[in-house]
Amino acid sequence: EAQVTQNPRYLITVTGKKLTVTCSQNMNHEYMSWYRQDPGLGLRQIYYSMNVEVTDKGDVPEGYKVSRKEKRNFPLILESPSPNQTSLYFCASSLQGARGYGYTFGSGTRLTVV
Amino acid sequence: QQPVQSPQAVILREGEDAVINCSSSKALYSVHWYRQKHGEAPVFLMILLKGGEQKGHDKISASFNEKKQQSSLYLTASQLSYSGTYFCGTDSSDFGNEKLTFGTGTRLTIIP
Repeated sequence: EAQVTQNPRYLITVTGKKLTVTCSQNMNHEYMSWYRQDPGLGLRQIYYSMNVEVTDKGDVPEGYKVSRKEKRNFPLILESPSPNQTSLYFCASSLQGARGYGYTFGSGTRLTVV
Repeated sequence: QQPVQSPQAVILREGEDAVINCSSSKALYSVHWYRQKHGEAPVFLMILLKGGEQKGHDKISASFNEKKQQSSLYLTASQLSYSGTYFCGTDSSDFGNEKLTFGTGTRLTIIP
């Protein structure tokens, strides 16, 4: 089944403790992206990647890191999480980006930082 | 800059029609529409490209006015399954670095 898999689904952590949210897709998509969703603010892009080893900042990149060493994986790293990073996170992928292809989203990761 | 969606919320009875609007301050190359049900991930509905035609499937269709930098989503004879939050995503970037920026959503509730 074609899908984007995120782990974990739920995570509660403490301020300052480094964490990684994994994202993997099995559709051979070149484009991958991370979004955070907060009430009233919609989906805001954190980082995106057009291909392996190519990443760029989205609209809210502060406090996050990403890497794209393999085509299928695009982990999101929070080096020192803070409570304002409590949010619902979605990973998405598409064949070649926004211009001609729809995005497939993962199931989401609900992160709480206390 | 995020596109502006209107209305923010709408309640309809089954069988009624709905229109959701999406407006951007930038020139657009493409507009995406997604539906998200409570507790689930957004699901892709359709994409409209600059210079393309109005799209649709079943009773959900959309239009894209490039000059006005606006898109509208039309839901005809709404069904209970249409309930959810609808997001438009706009691609207004240059240089081939396509970035999709989402609006804040329109919550649609269909009642029997």
